[in-house]
Amino acid sequence: GAGVSQSPSNKVTEKGKDVELRCDPISGHTALYWYRQSLGQGLEFLIYFQGNSAPDKSGLPSDRFSAERTGGSVSTLTIQRTQQEDSAVYLCASSPSSGQGAHGANVLTFGAGSRLTVL
Amino acid sequence: AQSVTQLGSHVSVSEGALVLLRCNYSSSVPPYLFWYVQYPNQGLQLLLKYTSAATLVKGINGFEAEFKKSETSFHLTKPSAHMSDAAEYFCAYTGGFKTIFGAGTRLFVKA
Repeated sequence: GAGVSQSPSNKVTEKGKDVELRCDPISGHTALYWYRQSLGQGLEFLIYFQGNSAPDKSGLPSDRFSAERTGGSVSTLTIQRTQQEDSAVYLCASSPSSGQGAHGANVLTFGAGSRLTVL
Repeated sequence: AQSVTQLGSHVSVSEGALVLLRCNYSSSVPPYLFWYVQYPNQGLQLLLKYTSAATLVKGINGFEAEFKKSETSFHLTKPSAHMSDAAEYFCAYTGGFKTIFGAGTRLFVKA
């Protein structure tokens, strides 16, 4: 597509419920990132996918968080048993590739984000 | 560990004044450095990037940044602030296989 699409744009849920957030990256982009943006916290890295390599999950805050990327394209971030502290904007970004060398300079294109509110 | 530090969560300047937003990084590998901007109710977009070709990098809307290896800094400047520059600015670093961001600096521009 023309840009990175995220859905839903807004999600209100009750504490303890599971939520799924979807990201559709730019066609052909092999690298996909999830970040969390909380008020005053900047952008917190969550997880990164690069092609068919094993994802870098080092930023996931707990085992309630998981993500998958099917067919090297669409990604879903799942939060189980949501807590109030999970309330934030979840941003997805993609780039043509990632890593060192010439590819390391690739720019991230961000989606508009999914705003999650846990009551 | 790699990290990005932005000094000052809020910066306020008068219209026409110099804008200086500070960013320092820590890394053991050569960095690729970026500044992104987030205007109110909009997504993040690239302002400029450093990829070792030149230490002084020019970006959109009159912004520029200078890479100083000795100071591990990549501060963002603009000679004359405009009201439309009011936004949140994020410094970012790619040194391995992921991009990490600073906490952001919100720029306020006073008339």
